[in-house]
Amino acid sequence: DAGVIQSPRHEVTEMGQEVTLRCKPISGHDYLFWYRQTMMRGLELLIYFNNNVPIDDSGMPEDRFSAKMPNASFSTLKIQPSEPRDSAVYFCASSRARDYEQYFGPGTRLTVT
Amino acid sequence: ILNVEQSPQSLHVQEGDSTNFTCSFPSSNFYALHWYRWETAKSPEALFVMTLNGDEKKKGRISATLNTKEGYSYLYIKGSQPEDSATYLCASRNTGTASKLTFGTGTRLQVTL
Repeated sequence: DAGVIQSPRHEVTEMGQEVTLRCKPISGHDYLFWYRQTMMRGLELLIYFNNNVPIDDSGMPEDRFSAKMPNASFSTLKIQPSEPRDSAVYFCASSRARDYEQYFGPGTRLTVT
Repeated sequence: ILNVEQSPQSLHVQEGDSTNFTCSFPSSNFYALHWYRWETAKSPEALFVMTLNGDEKKKGRISATLNTKEGYSYLYIKGSQPEDSATYLCASRNTGTASKLTFGTGTRLQVTL
């Protein structure tokens, strides 16, 4: 299995621009998670999906952030408009079921200037 | 304890030393405790998932124990090797939101020759 795939690996954009991060979970995994990692706050859960349905988005920082999962093999995290404080590494993870370990993708390093 | 806390924050040992570090988590409504290994420039990799009080898990030279009544877990590394250098993260889940992991900030281990 290829593991969790994320794209792009690096993104540099200017403040105010729209940013879209992409994730392909491991085939057969029913849960998908989006995390943000920063020096100040460590690894934070933003939102997670079960069978393509958003279950908990309480970690999404504000309305500028949105996430979708149109099918079992694809999810997006969108930031519009982006701000410098959004600069971080964004990880996507998937798991086979609720009680199993999560497998992380390689992350997208976002820099907003 | 409201958050997941890990200690020490960082640790520097010599090759061959055995070491251990601590994860403290909320004991009320406990559901599961995860340990992850995170090498620099890579993504977190699952080590253990533990759910029962008294659980002990082992993978090679790495082992972990769980005390759900007092809310702590220990991770042990026997005979540390330079390739063990990484950040070790723990994360807990509670029964209220059993799919949601709350991560600690990690213990950064450096093993030198």
